[in-house]
Amino acid sequence: QKEVEQDPGPLSVPEGAIVSLNCTYSNSAFQYFMWYRQYSRKGPELLMYTYSSGNKEDGRFTAQVDKSSKYISLFIRDSQPSDSATYLCAMKGLGSNYKLTFGKGTLLTVNP
Amino acid sequence: NAGVMQNPRHLVRRRGQEARLRCSPMKGHSHVYWYRQLPEEGLKFMVYLQKENIIDESGMPKERFSAEFPKEGPSILRIQQVVRGDSAAYFCASSLSAGTGGDQPQHFGDGTRLSIL
Repeated sequence: QKEVEQDPGPLSVPEGAIVSLNCTYSNSAFQYFMWYRQYSRKGPELLMYTYSSGNKEDGRFTAQVDKSSKYISLFIRDSQPSDSATYLCAMKGLGSNYKLTFGKGTLLTVNP
Repeated sequence: NAGVMQNPRHLVRRRGQEARLRCSPMKGHSHVYWYRQLPEEGLKFMVYLQKENIIDESGMPKERFSAEFPKEGPSILRIQQVVRGDSAAYFCASSLSAGTGGDQPQHFGDGTRLSIL
């Protein structure tokens, strides 16, 4: 079983839709959870950074962490064509907390 | 641009040659990480360095790969005697610190895409 599982998609939605992206994980030592956005031929750009369980909102983006289920989500409201990218979830623990473990990424296309 | 700078953006090498990838961290950041992204794979941790120290190289292949972060200048990821399987995107990230707690996210550069002929 991989430490982090992420549906690669692709996911295609119309402009204005609510997008839900998810990851599951198996390592209960993970404490910090991140979502990165990666445009084609570019580096990952940090979108959301959360610690432990709960919700965090930033503009049109909401990150949710459910540690009991080992499940994290990213919601994008009022999706825009500029949101078209690959979304990567990443996690790290406390001990060697510098090592990020990534999902493979979900390719999202928002159609105008 | 105060972000993480990587160069070159693209690097083509023939089998057996050496590849040197450079990374300048964000201003004020003293912690550097290298990750590799193989086609159809997620990013994989390779090595974590502070100035003049390798802290964790557990993700680096045991042979042909080395990394450094000198007191002056950028961090260097060096691959000797490259093989076709080394073709990948190599990303560098930096952070303010990597302590046992606190909010210290890693910020990434745009990567070096290495192609082996």
